Amino acid sequence: GDSVTQMEGPVTLSEEAFLTINCTYTATGYPSLFWYVQYPGEGLQLLLKATKADDKGSNKGFEATYRKETTSFHLEKGSVQVSDSAVYFCALITGGGNKLTFGTGTQLKVEL
Amino acid sequence: DGGITQSPKYLFRKEGQNVTLSCEQNLNHDAMYWYRQDPGQGLRLIYYSQIVNDFQKGDIAEGYSVSREKKESFPLTVTSAQKNPTAFYLCASSRTEPNYGYTFGSGTRLTVV
Repeated sequence: GDSVTQMEGPVTLSEEAFLTINCTYTATGYPSLFWYVQYPGEGLQLLLKATKADDKGSNKGFEATYRKETTSFHLEKGSVQVSDSAVYFCALITGGGNKLTFGTGTQLKVEL
Repeated sequence: DGGITQSPKYLFRKEGQNVTLSCEQNLNHDAMYWYRQDPGQGLRLIYYSQIVNDFQKGDIAEGYSVSREKKESFPLTVTSAQKNPTAFYLCASSRTEPNYGYTFGSGTRLTVV
């Protein structure tokens, strides 16, 4: 079945550091890929998405590129802030459906 | 503004009691979902509904029940049969068109005392 694998957390960075959170997937067909963010005590918010190979999703300084050849959708940001501290979830939808499969989430902590 | 509302934000329940968590959306979405999240864990699907008066079990439906009498509403009942109900519960909704993604509520934290 479909699955999403994310790097283990927590990831701890200093403010203004470069961020990469790895995400790889296994899916039949050509999935659409998503990154969601969850701030403490809140629900998830859509951060960005990409629906076909080589598409780049971007929002709030975050970006991720859909790499079909490596089945990856790594999340990057050039300069993180303390306010970026949250849990980040990678997810996919396959088969033209609408049911998301989530990864286990990666906690990011950004320190001054 | 359209959105999805979960209430209450915090809920305390005595062992042996049933409790119902509310989820309402005004986004005109057809599909709705309930997830459970435990500390440091990912999301586990409890139930989902693609259309009014129809719903399907997810991965951990035992001890839970739902109804979908209106498009806007998808309440979740945590029954006394759920052995470990203390968790953070998230409701979400989406269109049924492909690849749309979900809109989430802000969650209900249930604690059994």
